[in-house]
Amino acid sequence: NAGVTQTPKFQVLKTGQSMTLQCAQDMNHEYMSWYRQDPGMGLRLIHYSVGAGITDQGEVPNGYNVSRSTTEDFPLRLLSAAPSQTSVYFCASSSTSTGEQFFGPGTRLTVL
Amino acid sequence: GENVEQHPSTLSVQEGDSAVIKCTYSDSASNYFPWYKQELGKGPQLIIDIRSNVGEKKDQRIAVTLNKTAKHFSLHITETQPEDSAVYFCAAKGWNQAGTALIFGKGTTLSVSS
Repeated sequence: NAGVTQTPKFQVLKTGQSMTLQCAQDMNHEYMSWYRQDPGMGLRLIHYSVGAGITDQGEVPNGYNVSRSTTEDFPLRLLSAAPSQTSVYFCASSSTSTGEQFFGPGTRLTVL
Repeated sequence: GENVEQHPSTLSVQEGDSAVIKCTYSDSASNYFPWYKQELGKGPQLIIDIRSNVGEKKDQRIAVTLNKTAKHFSLHITETQPEDSAVYFCAAKGWNQAGTALIFGKGTTLSVSS
């Protein structure tokens, strides 16, 4: 099993550009989520999904969109990047039975 | 919604000493409390977790205690080693209309000096 994979590892954007951060898991987990990590702020939940076709907002959803068309994939879209979105983004997945959450390696995003 | 407070934000200990990190949560409905370790440049990794029907859980040098009445839980690391140096996060599993979500504390940077 590859676990949770994220692409790209690094990305630099200009203000106003759009992009999609990819996340995939091969553990057949129902739950997937996106967090951003900023210095001194810990991990803050952006969006999450309890299964294909179902998504919900977390603590800091503004400026981000998600969709969940398959169990395996949970992409995060930035429609118009802003410098405030400079951060490290982590995708995670978990099963309903254990609740243990597995994290991907992260994407470091810089918005100029 | 759930809110998790974590203390201290930084902790420095000598090798062989014990380290304790404490967290409080706000939602009495939360029933799952994991602890994650994050090394530089990597994603968080689960090191131990506890559910609300258990008061204490131990795994070698790591233990977690839970006080449901006071709504706080703690991570205890004994006989610390330099490789324990990392950022540690506590979390609580909150409930909402659509399902569940893990809410994290802000993290504790543990430094173990030899």
